[in-house]
Amino acid sequence: SQQGEEDPQALSIQEGENATMNCSYKTSINNLQWYRQNSGRGLVHLILIRSNEREKHSGRLRVTLDTSKKSSSLLITASRAADTASYFCVNAGGTSYGKLTFGQGTILTVHP
Amino acid sequence: DSGVTQTPKHLITATGQRVTLRCSPRSGDLSVYWYQQSLDQGLQFLIQYYNGEERAKGNILERFSAQQFPDLHSELNLSSLELGDSALYFCASSATGGLSGANVLTFGAGSRLTVL
Repeated sequence: SQQGEEDPQALSIQEGENATMNCSYKTSINNLQWYRQNSGRGLVHLILIRSNEREKHSGRLRVTLDTSKKSSSLLITASRAADTASYFCVNAGGTSYGKLTFGQGTILTVHP
Repeated sequence: DSGVTQTPKHLITATGQRVTLRCSPRSGDLSVYWYQQSLDQGLQFLIQYYNGEERAKGNILERFSAQQFPDLHSELNLSSLELGDSALYFCASSATGGLSGANVLTFGAGSRLTVL
């Protein structure tokens, strides 16, 4: 399984604050991806970080990858109420031809 | 609009019945994935197809079956439905299905199944 495990399970912050979510995985990695899901909607791909990268930025998102600890973190800076969603990580690629399993996710609530 | 089309959006049926969920992948994508999302089980991987062939299987029940057709659309058939099958069913597509390059999934809006 290439499942990622997100931590914390839930995070509640005020608008303007930063939000940090963590992901741990068990198997070898090709790339790691983060997805967002607004309530009742399909997941949306946010960012991908390859195994040979340590940090990647996309707008207000910053992802880090530590392959020695088999962990990744997603930082959302200057959060907005619209960032309220569930966030999932998944270890993608490798040799499993895409059996992509998602964890329980982190539920982020941003209060206006 | 993600480019992945799922029909129907909502479906209400009775226990013991059979339903078919349909998915059209994003243009150019060869691989289709099916996921089931319920409150107590989270997002569960069911099955993956690549260019018409089954590639990976998850916790898909024997009462469920799927296929991918030559035009690359896919159908998920759910039979002998039980109350516990009530869930959101998502289809996702990707270009390579994990065979090469980055395997980024594009999800559809989902089909909400309610079994009464």
